[in-house]
Amino acid sequence: QQQVRQSSQSLTVWEGETAILNCSYENSAFDYFPWYQQFPGEGPALLIAIRSVSDKKEDGRFTIFFNKREKNLSLHIKDSQPGDSATYFCAARETNSAGNKLTFGIGTRVLVRP
Amino acid sequence: AQTIHQWPVAEIKAVGSPLSLGCTIKGKSSPNLYWYWQATGGTLQQLFYSITVGQVESVVQLNLSASRPKDDQFILSTEKLLLSHSGFYLCAWIEGLGGDTQYFGPGTRLLVL
Repeated sequence: QQQVRQSSQSLTVWEGETAILNCSYENSAFDYFPWYQQFPGEGPALLIAIRSVSDKKEDGRFTIFFNKREKNLSLHIKDSQPGDSATYFCAARETNSAGNKLTFGIGTRVLVRP
Repeated sequence: AQTIHQWPVAEIKAVGSPLSLGCTIKGKSSPNLYWYWQATGGTLQQLFYSITVGQVESVVQLNLSASRPKDDQFILSTEKLLLSHSGFYLCAWIEGLGGDTQYFGPGTRLLVL
């Protein structure tokens, strides 16, 4: 059973559009949700993160919308650029879990066409 | 500034041969350290974590073992590789107390033939 589910494995948008990546989770105890961006052949890098006490987090062109009641969240990439083409992983962590364990979704591969 | 280094960058190994992958963190004392495995095009699976020197906890073993011989070093190894060990191995670290963000290294690409 996937604890963190990303609804799309791939997404294609045109340059300038808003890419929307969806994520849902099972465990109500998850309270920290980072999104990681990964380019081919590289390690993932933290893009933006939100805690469950918030419903929105914005950082430049990237925004997380969080719905605790529905146990889902989404990452919006505004004004998408070809350089945003990468795989995006939604992850979740339960505070005080053993070793600060992060559970990752399967990833969404985003392609931004110029 | 903290830096994380993984070695080797890539390996091609034969089934049944031994393996040792390394990870070093510079500029951070007593970090929590993690090993992840990623199949090609797949998600990240946490394998091991370590909170302190000499202490390693297993999450998913996959016939691998890990050790933390020094505060800044984390080693992943096996005596006998399987085909299923192929993939991308990532080391990550986090602040030892109260940290949220896991920072990943550049990874080691492993191909087992």
